[in-house]
Amino acid sequence: AQSVTQPDIHITVSEGASLELRCNYSYGATPYLFWYVQSPGQGLQLLLKYFSGDTLVQGIKGFEAEFKRSQSSFNLRKPSVHWSDAAEYFCAVGAGTGGFKTIFGAGTRLFVKA
Amino acid sequence: SQTIHQWPATLVQPVGSPLSLECTVEGTSNPNLYWYRQAAGRGLQLLFYSVGIGQISSEVPQNLSASRPQDRQFILSSKKLLLSDSGFYLCAWSPTGGGFYGYTFGSGTRLTVV
Repeated sequence: AQSVTQPDIHITVSEGASLELRCNYSYGATPYLFWYVQSPGQGLQLLLKYFSGDTLVQGIKGFEAEFKRSQSSFNLRKPSVHWSDAAEYFCAVGAGTGGFKTIFGAGTRLFVKA
Repeated sequence: SQTIHQWPATLVQPVGSPLSLECTVEGTSNPNLYWYRQAAGRGLQLLFYSVGIGQISSEVPQNLSASRPQDRQFILSSKKLLLSDSGFYLCAWSPTGGGFYGYTFGSGTRLTVV
């Protein structure tokens, strides 16, 4: 069965430090992978997506993610974190015919300390 | 540009009362529409999706129902709310053809059943 695992429930990084959020997926076919960000009390915003091709994808707000098929991973990275990046981050895999059943991970809460 | 509106933002309802949450999309035609529920500290659970007027697919047997009376309108309803219906409800849309492009989410409705 398809699934998405985000091993870290929460992460704390210092402002200006680098960030890596982990995501592992289980999917039988070529996956469609996404990262979303959610600020408290708000909806989710799409950061980036991977369909095929270059395994390193760039997104909005300075984020990037790398698809590694051999590790079934799609980790999100940012070279220098800003205080405004504090939010919850969700990894997701498009599933089902037509991608109507996107499966989301449980999320990783990012805290940024000054 | 496309926008998605979801209301109300917050709602407190007594057990056994009815529910109606509305979502509308502007700036696109024939979108795919979705209702998700997010429980505290957990990921998103797909409740319903719709590929067209009157076409509703239910993912989780429950106390809720959905309807799509117009192309860009999606309604989540219940005849009698349960305490377990409390949560954060998110509406989302994707372009015609599926969810592999990623979703655009509304700002959510916080429902508390008391």
